[in-house]
Amino acid sequence: EAQVTQNPRYLITVTGKKLTVTCSQNMNHEYMSWYRQDPGLGLRQIYYSMNVEVTDKGDVPEGYKVSRKEKRNFPLILESPSPNQTSLYFCASSLSVQGNEKLFFGSGTQLSVL
Amino acid sequence: ELKVEQNPLFLSMQEGKNYTIYCNYSTTSDRLYWYRQDPGKSLESLFVLLSNGAVKQEGRLMASLDTKARLSTLHITAAVHDLSATYFCAVKTSGSRLTFGEGTQLTVNP
Repeated sequence: EAQVTQNPRYLITVTGKKLTVTCSQNMNHEYMSWYRQDPGLGLRQIYYSMNVEVTDKGDVPEGYKVSRKEKRNFPLILESPSPNQTSLYFCASSLSVQGNEKLFFGSGTQLSVL
Repeated sequence: ELKVEQNPLFLSMQEGKNYTIYCNYSTTSDRLYWYRQDPGKSLESLFVLLSNGAVKQEGRLMASLDTKARLSTLHITAAVHDLSATYFCAVKTSGSRLTFGEGTQLTVNP
């Protein structure tokens, strides 16, 4: 089944403790991206990647890192999480963003930073 | 800085009625997307609009794009309860950034 898989689904952590949220897709998509969703703010893009080893900042990249060493994986890293990073996070992928390809979203990761 | 504004943010309508959700954006773009999100769920892609005058329809939903006016509309025809969800538009800008609107929470009442 074609899908975007995020893990974990829920995560509670403390300020400053490094964490990684994994994202994997099995559709051989070139484009992958991360978003955070906060009430009243819609979704905001954190980082995106056009292909392996090619990443770029979205609208809210501060406090986050990403890597794209393999085509299928695009982990989101919080080196030193803070309470203002408490949010619902979504990973998404598409074949590209140059044509009419749709984005496929993961199920989301609800992160709480205490 | 790109701004994407949806109107209205909350919409309560009766089954069988028609309504339109508007998405305005502040800078040039060649691609606009519409998504649906059910409560507690992920997002589902509805439409990708690529050019001025583009119109796409699926079931009771029809989306259109006017790049000159920087406006997209999502028209709902004869609403049914199953359409209750939050609808987002998103605009592709420089590079491959995607900027989303705040979302329109639609409730269709019997």
